[in-house]
Amino acid sequence: EVQLVQSGAEVKKSGESLRISCKGSGYSFTGYWISWVRQMPGKGLEWMGRIDPSDSHTKYSPSFQGHVTISADKSITTAFLQWSSLKASDTAMYYCARHSYSGRPNDAFDIWGQGTMVPVSS
Amino acid sequence: SYELTQPPSVSVSPGQTASITCSGEKLGDKYACWYQQKPGQSPVVVIYEDTKRPSGIPERFSGSNSGNTATLTISGTQAMDEADYYCQAWDSGTGVFGSGTKVTVL
Repeated sequence: EVQLVQSGAEVKKSGESLRISCKGSGYSFTGYWISWVRQMPGKGLEWMGRIDPSDSHTKYSPSFQGHVTISADKSITTAFLQWSSLKASDTAMYYCARHSYSGRPNDAFDIWGQGTMVPVSS
Repeated sequence: SYELTQPPSVSVSPGQTASITCSGEKLGDKYACWYQQKPGQSPVVVIYEDTKRPSGIPERFSGSNSGNTATLTISGTQAMDEADYYCQAWDSGTGVFGSGTKVTVL
């Protein structure tokens, strides 16, 4: 079964660092890009950025550039999203999603992780 | 930055047709896809490449995209279709989601 399994919920405080993970299985991990998507409480979906696990090349949304870091370790088929200093405004559900046609104009997110909730207290 | 605009809400009676629009500059020149998200669940793609349905998605879901507007149509809407729906497209390699539409089946 093709799936993305994310790490569990993390309760953090402002200023703390955090890295959450997204493990792919059931497919060739290096053959498909992975994106991260934020959903703040009661709000819509926001694309944060993506990574090509084959060479770790990344692209970020201007809204998130410099605030988060996306990485991947293909040896353990896992992508990561990390913060060096969390803010209360980072409180959200974070999803990873697989690209179906990595980089092509007709690309879509065909497989999603179950989400990781990150509450950040001030 | 590129923006996609959706109506906040759409109401539909069971068995009737619901249409959800997604507007963006020259959206018809890009590919649009649509995601369904039910409360407490991850999004699921229901339409990709403007008009294609993934396996397992009911035939009552269809899509179109022309000019500045993409449309998701749910024919014969069922109670199980009540959810939030998001359009999505790519602009210069950057992903963009629409603001989302809550579909209520009355």
